[in-house]
Amino acid sequence: TQLLEQSPQFLSIQEGENLTVYCNSSSVFSSLQWYRQEPGEGPVLLVTVVTGGEVKKLKRLTFQFGDARKDSSLHITAAQPGDTGLYLCAVQGGFGNEKLTFGTGTRLTIIP
Amino acid sequence: SQTIHQWPATLVQPVGSPLSLECTVEGTSNPNLYWYRQAAGRGLQLLFYSVGIGQISSEVPQNLSASRPQDRQFILSSKKLLLSDSGFYLCAWKGGRAWREQFFGPGTRLTVL
Repeated sequence: TQLLEQSPQFLSIQEGENLTVYCNSSSVFSSLQWYRQEPGEGPVLLVTVVTGGEVKKLKRLTFQFGDARKDSSLHITAAQPGDTGLYLCAVQGGFGNEKLTFGTGTRLTIIP
Repeated sequence: SQTIHQWPATLVQPVGSPLSLECTVEGTSNPNLYWYRQAAGRGLQLLFYSVGIGQISSEVPQNLSASRPQDRQFILSSKKLLLSDSGFYLCAWKGGRAWREQFFGPGTRLTVL
């Protein structure tokens, strides 16, 4: 059983459209992170959300942490080709929170 | 500023051959270090992590091993590669003021034939 389920697994939309991807779990987390990964590169951190209900904005990207801190969403407004990539959510775990567990990922393709 | 290096960038090895992938971090001290493997286009699977020199925690049973001979050096090894060891290997570090986030290296693409 996956700790973090991301949906959809694949998403392909036209430039200029809006989209939302999700990261869901049955567990409660103290914080959650979103990363973006481009082909052949390592993931890059986009944001960390900590408080239930928290909303953070990063230009056209809006991240929300669920009230119960079990899930999160990423909304992109007016998608651009540069948004193409693999979006991964991740949560801390392990003794002393040393480890990150990653979700299954959403592969996003923006068509020019 | 901190940087993380991995080499080689790509590697093609025959089944049964040994493996050594290296990761080094600059600009920080006593980082946590991590090795991940990623199957094509999917999430990351944590293989090993280290909180200090000589301290290695293994997450999954496998054909691989890790070592940390120096504070900012992390090595992933195998004595005999299997076909199933193919994948994209990522090293990451965490520490300092950014205590929640992990910062990833550029990765090594390993193909076992």
